[in-house]
Amino acid sequence: NAGVMQNPRHLVRRRGQEARLRCSPMKGHSHVYWYRQLPEEGLKFMVYLQKENIIDESGMPKERFSAEFPKEGPSILRIQQVVRGDSAAYFCASSPEDAARTQYFGPGTRLLVL
Amino acid sequence: GIQVEQSPPDLILQEGANSTLRCNFSDSVNNLQWFHQNPWGQLINLFYIPSGTKQNGRLSATTVATERYSLLYISSSQTTDSGVYFCAVGNTGTASKLTFGTGTRLQVTL
Repeated sequence: NAGVMQNPRHLVRRRGQEARLRCSPMKGHSHVYWYRQLPEEGLKFMVYLQKENIIDESGMPKERFSAEFPKEGPSILRIQQVVRGDSAAYFCASSPEDAARTQYFGPGTRLLVL
Repeated sequence: GIQVEQSPPDLILQEGANSTLRCNFSDSVNNLQWFHQNPWGQLINLFYIPSGTKQNGRLSATTVATERYSLLYISSSQTTDSGVYFCAVGNTGTASKLTFGTGTRLQVTL
């Protein structure tokens, strides 16, 4: 069984560019969570999605950040007009419908903004 | 929101030693997970343990939900145990966001 897949694993952007991070949940999982880890810190929740719905976006900055989980395809975390402070590791997690509490994490995307 | 505190923040052990890591949380929880983040940054699930005791090889964990803490025990530590150990909790609904502690950084030396 493939685990949670994230790509790219590393992403370099210049200030002002857009960053798109992709997450494919484990097979059979319909809940997706995005977390951000700043250097030397713990992970902070950003957004929780189910297919085609945003359930909780209380941790996501109101501007420049958006997330989606379409009916077909991976979940996308999009950061517009990136700034240096966006440099971080972005982790995606997924959980299954019938045991929605255990979250399984992907390898993360390391974003570096120059 | 719920607060999660982990102790100690840093720990250095010689190979073969045992250790206990602690996680305190400020409210009742319906989800508690322990993770190991290895030196390459990967997050590895160790335990899902909102209550009770579980064991997996040299690792075991106990959560006393009524007293709002969890313990992770590492026995006969190995250099591959090095990394950061995170406790994360959730307490809103059946599928909820996790709130992470700041972690315990463990270094196991030869």
